[in-house]
Amino acid sequence: DTGVSQDPRHKITKRGQNVTFRCDPISEHNRLYWYRQTLGQGPEFLTYFQNEAQLEKSRLLSDRFSAERPKGSFSTLEIQRTEQGDSAMYLCASSLITGNTIYFGEGSWLTVV
Amino acid sequence: GQNIDQPTEMTATEGAIVQINCTYQTSGFNGLFWYQQHAGEAPTFLSYNVLDGLEEKGRFSSFLSRSKGYSYLLLKELQMKDSASYLCAVRDRSFQKLVFGTGTRLLVSP
Repeated sequence: DTGVSQDPRHKITKRGQNVTFRCDPISEHNRLYWYRQTLGQGPEFLTYFQNEAQLEKSRLLSDRFSAERPKGSFSTLEIQRTEQGDSAMYLCASSLITGNTIYFGEGSWLTVV
Repeated sequence: GQNIDQPTEMTATEGAIVQINCTYQTSGFNGLFWYQQHAGEAPTFLSYNVLDGLEEKGRFSSFLSRSKGYSYLLLKELQMKDSASYLCAVRDRSFQKLVFGTGTRLLVSP
């Protein structure tokens, strides 16, 4: 499979716990994006990387959220001290710098109980 | 900032044609995208417009008018499998992230 891969696909956690999601972009894609989507809404931008540099972060990304892309390949999104409001699908996407298409992964569903 | 509006929900009949409108107000514009998203799945790319006019791709067409801040997605010969959410998104000034509308949920009935 050469698409964007996300892991885990589903995560149920207790409030206050930390969770980490991983994203493997399409090979050779320089840009990697994280979005969050709740039911009935469109994806909301969280952050994006160009290679290993994190170039933009949304105001939605509180200090409990951190994302890394250490070698410019895979990325991780960590949420510390989870809250019920963090329950959502976390989408990763990737693209080429010169590309006009952003490809999305299947998403990681987070449920905070 | 950016504001993208699309209808929340639409219904249509199998075999018919449906037009989903999208209006946007943005501080910068570098292309408009349409994605299809089935429930519980990832958005999949449908079309991209950066110049005014109509782009046709099989049963799907997308139109853009930059002066009016308006786009539509036209779906012809509707099939049951077209029941999904259709997301309009604008790429921002810096050619980077996409900003999405809330999506239009399309229900195709027999």
